[in-house]
Amino acid sequence: DSGVTQTPKHLITATGQRVTLRCSPRSGDLSVYWYQQSLDQGLQFLIQYYNGEERAKGNILERFSAQQFPDLHSELNLSSLELGDSALYFCASGRTPQETQYFGPGTRLLVL
Amino acid sequence: AQRVTQPEKLLSVFKGAPVELKCNYSYSGSPELFWYVQYSRQRLQLLLRHISRESIKGFTADLNKGETSFHLKKPFAQEEDSAMYYCALSSAGGTSYGKLTFGQGTILTVHP
Repeated sequence: DSGVTQTPKHLITATGQRVTLRCSPRSGDLSVYWYQQSLDQGLQFLIQYYNGEERAKGNILERFSAQQFPDLHSELNLSSLELGDSALYFCASGRTPQETQYFGPGTRLLVL
Repeated sequence: AQRVTQPEKLLSVFKGAPVELKCNYSYSGSPELFWYVQYSRQRLQLLLRHISRESIKGFTADLNKGETSFHLKKPFAQEEDSAMYYCALSSAGGTSYGKLTFGQGTILTVHP
């Protein structure tokens, strides 16, 4: 499968903890996007990277941070977790910001 | 600020009936509009992008700038069309290019 991959698939953790979600974009894609999907907020854009540089920020909390590495994979770090952070976190990638975004399968985070 | 509204959370039709999923947007610049579909337990997939003017799986959508709408239509619904449909908007330029703002989604159920 040469599509966007995300690990882990599921994550269960406790409040106050820190987790790292990983995303590998499609081969050749330079843009990576992170989205959060929750029941009450729907699908929300968090942050965008292009070729290693942060390009745009959405409704991303200060407790959350991300980066894109030289090999173009990206990590989303969530710290001081709260119950309300429980959600499905999607990564998407595209060749350039102008081109179609392809989504990964998501990481389902449950904070207990 | 950009905003996408999908007024129907749920939509039920019978197989063979026409279907229209509504999407209205608010954006001061020049928008790009998309429809994404999420089948049960699968990742989001791009269905339509307004600039490509394609018809995918029998679905079409026309951008109406006067009414700020991008409704999704299909003349004869099929059971396999049952899914969650998201309308999304991106700016067509600038540093926010690529950032997708999603509507709340419409769950379409096609009954046999």
